[in-house]
Amino acid sequence: RKEVEQDPGPFNVPEGATVAFNCTYSNSASQSFFWYRQDCRKEPKLLMSVYSSGNEDGRFTAQLNRASQYISLLIRDSKLSDSATYLCVVKGYGGSQGNLIFGKGTKLSVKP
Amino acid sequence: DAMVIQNPRYQVTQFGKPVTLSCSQTLNHNVMYWYQQKSSQAPKLLFHYYDKDFNNEADTPDNFQSRRPNTSFCFLDIRSPGLGDAAMYLCATSTSKTGGVSPLHFGNGTRLTVT
Repeated sequence: RKEVEQDPGPFNVPEGATVAFNCTYSNSASQSFFWYRQDCRKEPKLLMSVYSSGNEDGRFTAQLNRASQYISLLIRDSKLSDSATYLCVVKGYGGSQGNLIFGKGTKLSVKP
Repeated sequence: DAMVIQNPRYQVTQFGKPVTLSCSQTLNHNVMYWYQQKSSQAPKLLFHYYDKDFNNEADTPDNFQSRRPNTSFCFLDIRSPGLGDAAMYLCATSTSKTGGVSPLHFGNGTRLTVT
């Protein structure tokens, strides 16, 4: 099992749709979780950190399920500008600051 | 605004000709990273600095070296670029914290072409 796995997509959805991505991780001792957004040929940008209790930022909701070892990202009322690749990032166990593991990303395409 | 800046945005080098990519930050973060990202792949960590301590990933080729002369600057040296080294190189910073790590702040990347 890969350390961090994401469905690569692409997810093709119409504007206004609700879409959800999951990301599974293999190390049950993982400590920190993030969702990043990456536009084509640009750098990743932090979308949101994922907290144990779940958290929401506008149209975006992130959830963490430690028992099943996955995090999710829900996007409501999709906009054309949400089209991007969404990267899941997990901090593995241990003190090394380098122990951040990226998923390959899920590509979202929002159509008019 | 505090930020992470990479120069140049685009770099073209010849096969085997050494090249240096630079990264500077005004965030005063103590951890700096270099990632390599190829098309449709996840960013791959090459190495990182925790303060002055250099941490090399086991599978990072010897062809890649790094320097961090002070908190604000970090350099990636590719001693003999091969065609397979063509990629986006991303610099990132973070702060350490107990039990976890702060989110990474990425620079805008340097896209390297090897001819």
